[in-house]
Amino acid sequence: EIQLQESGPGLVKPSQSLSLTCSVTGYTITSGYDWSWIRKFPGNKMEWMGYISYSGSTNYNPSLKSRISITRDTSKNQFFLQLNSVTTEDTATYYCASLTSGYWGQGVMVTVSS
Amino acid sequence: EIVLTQSPTTTAASPGEKVTITCLASSSVSNMYWYQQKSGASPKLLIYSTSSLASGVPDRFSGSGSGTSYSLTINTMEAEDAATYYCQQWSSNPPTFGAGTKLELK
Repeated sequence: EIQLQESGPGLVKPSQSLSLTCSVTGYTITSGYDWSWIRKFPGNKMEWMGYISYSGSTNYNPSLKSRISITRDTSKNQFFLQLNSVTTEDTATYYCASLTSGYWGQGVMVTVSS
Repeated sequence: EIVLTQSPTTTAASPGEKVTITCLASSSVSNMYWYQQKSGASPKLLIYSTSSLASGVPDRFSGSGSGTSYSLTINTMEAEDAATYYCQQWSSNPPTFGAGTKLELK
C-alpha cells in the first residue's frame, strides 16, 4: 500500500523559506504518477501548489510560480517543497499527495509567525 | 483558472435520507473528482472520473454529471458520512477544488 508522510517545521518566520519533505513508501516515485503538494487554509479553502512527475518534470500553480520549488531525492524516495518569502497568508495545513492515485499524506500544520 | 462552486455550503441529513451535493464549474471540464474529509484526517478519494467509485468506498456513494455541472449523491445517509466533501477538477491547469460542503448528521 502506498503511504505518504510529510515532515518539516511547524513554525516559520515571515520572509523566510518553508521547507517540507514527503516520504513515500510502498511505491517508487519514479515508477509513475505525479507527486503533488496541496494546502488547506484556515477556513477550508484548498489550493493545489504543484507537482513533480515520475519523470522529474515539474508543474506549478501560476499563483505561486515565483516562490515555489518542488524537487526530489530518488535514492530516498522523497520529494520536497520549498516556498520562499512566506507571509502569514501561507499559514495552512500542507499535504503531499498523488492526485492521480488518490493517496494523501496525513498533513502537517505550518504557521507563519514572528 | 476554473472556479468550482459547490452547493449547499452546509447541510444536514437524517440516517437513511438521500443527499445530493452539486459542483458547478466556471468552464466545461471533462471529469470531476470527489473527496471526503473528516476532522483531523486527510482527504479521502471517493469518486474519480466523474462516476467511478474509488476502492473501498461504499456503493451508496455515486457521482454524475458533465460539462459544467456535476453532483455527488449519498443514496442513504449513515452517521459515518458526516464530513466535509470537496469536488476537484484537473481538466484544466491548475487543478482546482470547490470550497467544500459540510454534511452534518441530523
